[in-house]
Amino acid sequence: QSALTQPRSVSGSPGQSVTISCTGTSSDVGGYSYVSWYQHHPGKAPKVMIYDVSKRPSGVPERFSGSKSGNTASLTISGLQAEDEADYYCCSYAGSYTGVVFGGGTKLSVL
Amino acid sequence: EVQLVQSGAEVKKPGESLKISCKGSGYSFSSYWIAWVRQMPGKGLEWMGIIYPGDSDTRYSPSFQGQVTISADKSIRTAYLQWNSLKASDSAIYYCARPHIVAVTAIDYFDLWGRGTPVTVSS
Repeated sequence: QSALTQPRSVSGSPGQSVTISCTGTSSDVGGYSYVSWYQHHPGKAPKVMIYDVSKRPSGVPERFSGSKSGNTASLTISGLQAEDEADYYCCSYAGSYTGVVFGGGTKLSVL
Repeated sequence: EVQLVQSGAEVKKPGESLKISCKGSGYSFSSYWIAWVRQMPGKGLEWMGIIYPGDSDTRYSPSFQGQVTISADKSIRTAYLQWNSLKASDSAIYYCARPHIVAVTAIDYFDLWGRGTPVTVSS
């Protein structure tokens, strides 16, 4: 069982928006602003899409946005495109002893 | 090109030893931490530990302390993950990644990843 809880799967049609939640505790998501999201196409290297809760690295489309409320972080993808179909993982810093924790991953299907 | 290139897939028997590698290129390898992350079949990601190639300072996740050894050779820009005695439960894909560190030791995010090394342990 992963430290952070994500839905196993979400789906949406091209052009729609989807939101993926990531629930932790006050010791990780709720306690730090170091929440990040990764897109993973199997067989390829994971790619950071959001860091520091809501910041987008250079080159990541504005369609990807992040937020946090309490112990739950969220990734929203608007204007879904076929190439967004992938697995998405959330990650949070959890203190110097634990290090970082990840979610179990969410499979996004673009119907 | 800035990248992390991992060694190829491995098939081992229980009790055997294994060392997999992660070679960095396109950046100052000695100046950035390298992390190892495990993904067991059908499961999420798990952070195993990190190493600073510049001085080999190493930190382990409590879950992996004593189970694996992380090392690095900065002269050949390569980090390693090693097992002395593999178990079937070590079967997984292992990723190396470059963490962005803030406040001295806090891992903010991982800005560069390798493609992963599949390890299968079976009798």
